[in-house]
Amino acid sequence: DAGITQSPRHKVTETGTPVTLRCHQTENHRYMYWYRQDPGHGLRLIHYSYGVKDTDKGEVSDGYSVSRSKTEDFLLTLESATSSQTSVYFCAIRGPTNTGELFFGEGSRLTVL
Amino acid sequence: AQKITQTQPGMFVQEKEAVTLDCTYDTSDPSYGLFWYKQPSSGEMIFLIYQGSYDQQNATEGRYSLNFQKARKSANLVISASQLGDSAMYFCAMRDDDYKLSFGAGTTVTVRA
Repeated sequence: DAGITQSPRHKVTETGTPVTLRCHQTENHRYMYWYRQDPGHGLRLIHYSYGVKDTDKGEVSDGYSVSRSKTEDFLLTLESATSSQTSVYFCAIRGPTNTGELFFGEGSRLTVL
Repeated sequence: AQKITQTQPGMFVQEKEAVTLDCTYDTSDPSYGLFWYKQPSSGEMIFLIYQGSYDQQNATEGRYSLNFQKARKSANLVISASQLGDSAMYFCAMRDDDYKLSFGAGTTVTVRA
């Protein structure tokens, strides 16, 4: 158990509404990541963080913002949700070894109507 | 740009037989890492095996082995003695020198009794 909790696990919202997904870790790891999973695309990196208040964009960052005010929490915000953001969102932390292995949360399924 | 290619969307394998999942990658970094993850129908992402670009020997973890051919830029996963519980989606991933992971589109494996 990597000590990663995502909330909410399921959410249905309407186009144009803001949505925030939360990732909480109990492992005190420095690096945290947000991915989205879509059929035919695997997992794609949205944003990542390498420390408190240190974040950077990933491959598919448009329409998303993140914040990390504490080591244990990494928030993903959709300012104005669109149907194309319907997806499963995974949070991950980098493990302690130098391999770069990621440990994933259980995922959050977001549906934008 | 897609860095990881998994050309097999789906595969069937008979119980107790071996199956090979193909993965090719593209990078100009001299140092990189290759991973395989398993995603069962329950949705969680499970780390299976890791191969570093400088590792001389192919990685093995129980019934999983990684056939690493550096010159061909391939990192195929071999699952020996397949079990019904091996039915899942399998993702190949590559770590770049910034320690971000890029994933392939995945291969669905169905084990038949």
